[in-house]
Amino acid sequence: ILNVEQSPQSLHVQEGDSTNFTCSFPSSNFYALHWYRWETAKSPEALFVMTLNGDEKKKGRISATLNTKEGYSYLYIKGSQPEDSATYLCAFVSGAGSYQLTFGKGTKLSVIP
Amino acid sequence: NAGVTQTPKFRILKIGQSMTLQCAQDMNHNYMYWYRQDPGMGLKLIYYSVGAGITDKGEVPNGYNVSRSTTEDFPLRLELAAPSQTSVYFCASSYFDNSNQPQHFGDGTRLSIL
Repeated sequence: ILNVEQSPQSLHVQEGDSTNFTCSFPSSNFYALHWYRWETAKSPEALFVMTLNGDEKKKGRISATLNTKEGYSYLYIKGSQPEDSATYLCAFVSGAGSYQLTFGKGTKLSVIP
Repeated sequence: NAGVTQTPKFRILKIGQSMTLQCAQDMNHNYMYWYRQDPGMGLKLIYYSVGAGITDKGEVPNGYNVSRSTTEDFPLRLELAAPSQTSVYFCASSYFDNSNQPQHFGDGTRLSIL
């Protein structure tokens, strides 16, 4: 069973603050790393799919970096807004086995107006 | 474009009953997946399919069955419902494998077994 850890479990930030959280995954047999945004009562939506060490992807105020050698990815949100409140999921794809996603438990972000 | 459609949205079953959770996608995606989401846990893969006529077990397949007779549909069947199967079930699809293709999720089915 692959171990994918996300930290922190939850955090509260003030509107306008920038924040970041971490996804840790096995540093061997890396194939891909996915980030999803999951709002309450909705379905998870894809943010990024990252495949190369050193990758940096950006979508508006949200960006992500990837370090496959040490097994971590950071998700950054610049100038948090209340609509950013959601659970952010990462999912690791191993190149050994069935190439399926192993999800972390998520980081729940609450942005206080 | 409807994307991934799951029905029903909610269901309550008695122990021992059976039911089928429906999933359909209209994006012509080859890959389809069923996950369950339990409180405090990450999404767990139940079954997946890489194309019509091909299915395979995920991490937690016990108590479930699937079929994939068409590209569009991927139903999940519970034969003898047990309380441990109380969960939120998500269906997802992707065009190709997970290397650089994101998964598209349905809105989920909340299932309670009493």
